Amino acid sequence: GAGVSQSPSNKVTEKGKDVELRCDPISGHTALYWYRQSLGQGLEFLIYFQGNSAPDKSGLPSDRFSAERTGGSVSTLTIQRTQQEDSAVYLCASSLAGTAYGYTFGSGTRLTVV
Amino acid sequence: GENVEQHPSTLSVQEGDSAVIKCTYSDSASNYFPWYKQELGKGPQLIIDIRSNVGEKKDQRIAVTLNKTAKHFSLHITETQPEDSAVYFCAASDDMRFGAGTRLTVKP
Repeated sequence: GAGVSQSPSNKVTEKGKDVELRCDPISGHTALYWYRQSLGQGLEFLIYFQGNSAPDKSGLPSDRFSAERTGGSVSTLTIQRTQQEDSAVYLCASSLAGTAYGYTFGSGTRLTVV
Repeated sequence: GENVEQHPSTLSVQEGDSAVIKCTYSDSASNYFPWYKQELGKGPQLIIDIRSNVGEKKDQRIAVTLNKTAKHFSLHITETQPEDSAVYFCAASDDMRFGAGTRLTVKP
């Protein structure tokens, strides 16, 4: 597609429930990234996929967070047993071939845990 | 790994003045330095980038300069306009982490 698409744009969930966030990167981009942005804060790196390599999961804050990327394209970020501190905007980005190329970001998913 | 520091955290200028945001990095192997602009309610957008084989790049009112010896690079915005008000982030290649961001406010 023309840009990075994320869905849903907004998600309200009850504490303790699991949520799945979806990212459709730009076609042909081999690198995909997930970030978390709390209100008024910076970009917190979560996970990085590059081609067929094992993902860099060094930014995941706890084992409740996981992500997968199927067929080198669509990615899903899953948060299990959500907590209130998980409330944030989750941003996905893709780039042509890794970190030495500019990122294109999606508009994000605003997650609210009540 | 890379460590990118960005300052100032907030910057307020009068319309028409210039604004400068600086970032320093630690990994001398980094060779790509992008800048992103994030407007309220939107994802960050790449506005300019520079590779290590050049010292300066300009695109209309924005420019980026790179000092590889000192390991710092800067974003320069001239003739600022209210629509330049946003949060700006820097990054250095070989890492997925961004600088902490600079909130720029341009007063009309």
